[in-house]
Amino acid sequence: KAGVTQTPRYLIKTRGQQVTLSCSPISGHRSVSWYQQTPGQGLQFLFEYFSETQRNKGNFPGRFSGRQFSNSRSEMNVSTLELGDSALYLCASSLGDWTYEQYFGPGTRLTVT
Amino acid sequence: GENVEQHPSTLSVQEGDSAVIKCTYSDSASNYFPWYKQELGKGPQLIIDIRSNVGEKKDQRIAVTLNKTAKHFSLHITETQPEDSAVYFCAAVGGNKLTFGGGTRVLVKP
Repeated sequence: KAGVTQTPRYLIKTRGQQVTLSCSPISGHRSVSWYQQTPGQGLQFLFEYFSETQRNKGNFPGRFSGRQFSNSRSEMNVSTLELGDSALYLCASSLGDWTYEQYFGPGTRLTVT
Repeated sequence: GENVEQHPSTLSVQEGDSAVIKCTYSDSASNYFPWYKQELGKGPQLIIDIRSNVGEKKDQRIAVTLNKTAKHFSLHITETQPEDSAVYFCAAVGGNKLTFGGGTRVLVKP
């Protein structure tokens, strides 16, 4: 079974721009969660989508948003990029319930200059 | 919300020795505790997990223990090998989200 895939793997953007990242979950998985990983803050939960609905949200500003499509693929968008948004963005998929195992993709490395 | 603390932040062991990483959590309602291994340039990989109705789980050289009363859980790696070198994260599911510890960088010296 193919794993979680994320595109693009690397991205360089300028402050003020916006960016869209994509995540394709493992086949059959209906939940997709997004995380931000930085050296200073570690791994932080952004939001989770299940059946095209945002089911849970972390403590990030409204510039961070996401959506999920009917095939469970998900995108996250960051508007008005700031230098501090430079991070590894990871998505994870699971069957559905929070007690199911979550499997991570390789991440998208975003650099904001 | 849930808070997960992980110790130590770095751990250096000789090949063949054991490694132990400890985590504490704050939310007594948390009921699922996965451990992840992250190698350079890769996403976290689930290596073992434990649920709140179990006290210990073992998978080959890796074992995890859970003490619900004390709200702490630990990862034990026996007979460490160079390929065990990586960053390890503990996590807890509480409030319908996964909260991670700060990570432990493990270096296995040959």
